[in-house]
Amino acid sequence: DTGVSQNPRHKITKRGQNVTFRCDPISEHNRLYWYRQTLGQGPEFLTYFQNEAQLEKSRLLSDRFSAERPKGSFSTLEIQRTEQGDSAMYLCASSSLRTSGSSYNEQFFGPGTRLTVL
Amino acid sequence: DAKTTQPPSMDCAEGRAANLPCNHSTISGNEYVYWYRQIHSQGPQYIIHGLKNNETNEMASLIITEDRKSSTLILPHATLRDTAVYYCIVRVSNAGGTSYGKLTFGQGTILTVHP
Repeated sequence: DTGVSQNPRHKITKRGQNVTFRCDPISEHNRLYWYRQTLGQGPEFLTYFQNEAQLEKSRLLSDRFSAERPKGSFSTLEIQRTEQGDSAMYLCASSSLRTSGSSYNEQFFGPGTRLTVL
Repeated sequence: DAKTTQPPSMDCAEGRAANLPCNHSTISGNEYVYWYRQIHSQGPQYIIHGLKNNETNEMASLIITEDRKSSTLILPHATLRDTAVYYCIVRVSNAGGTSYGKLTFGQGTILTVHP
């Protein structure tokens, strides 16, 4: 399967613990995005990378959240000192950099990591 | 990015066309209309996009009004597997036609296809 993969698919943790999620984008996609989705809501943007550079961060990304993409390939999202309000689906997406032709920048999403904080 | 308005839910009979409306009255000239859908327990999936002309691909058709203030996504022969949340998103594109950055999702329309 050459789609976006995310690990783990499910994570249950106790409040105050740190968690780390991994996203492997589609090969050669140089843009990688993180979103968070709570029940009944659409996904909310957290941050995005172009290659290894983190170009935009949402205000939703508090100091407890950190994302990295060290070699411009896979990415990790870490949440420190988890809170119950962090319980959500964390989605990763990737896209290619199109500079000509079609005007769209289609994002391919992974299946998500569901986090439950007890 | 401009805000969109969609009905919270719609029903459709299997085999019939599903027509999902979206209002985007504040759309700017350089904003494209995108549609994504999210089937239960999966990540969103791109469907189609357009600027001002009607578009068709293997999944759906997109009809954009002449004033670009609204659009309709058409699934010509809905199946049970089309049951999903459908998101209409408008998004800035630069002069060269490349869109950058995030997608801003609303709450979308829950489409239920009945047997």
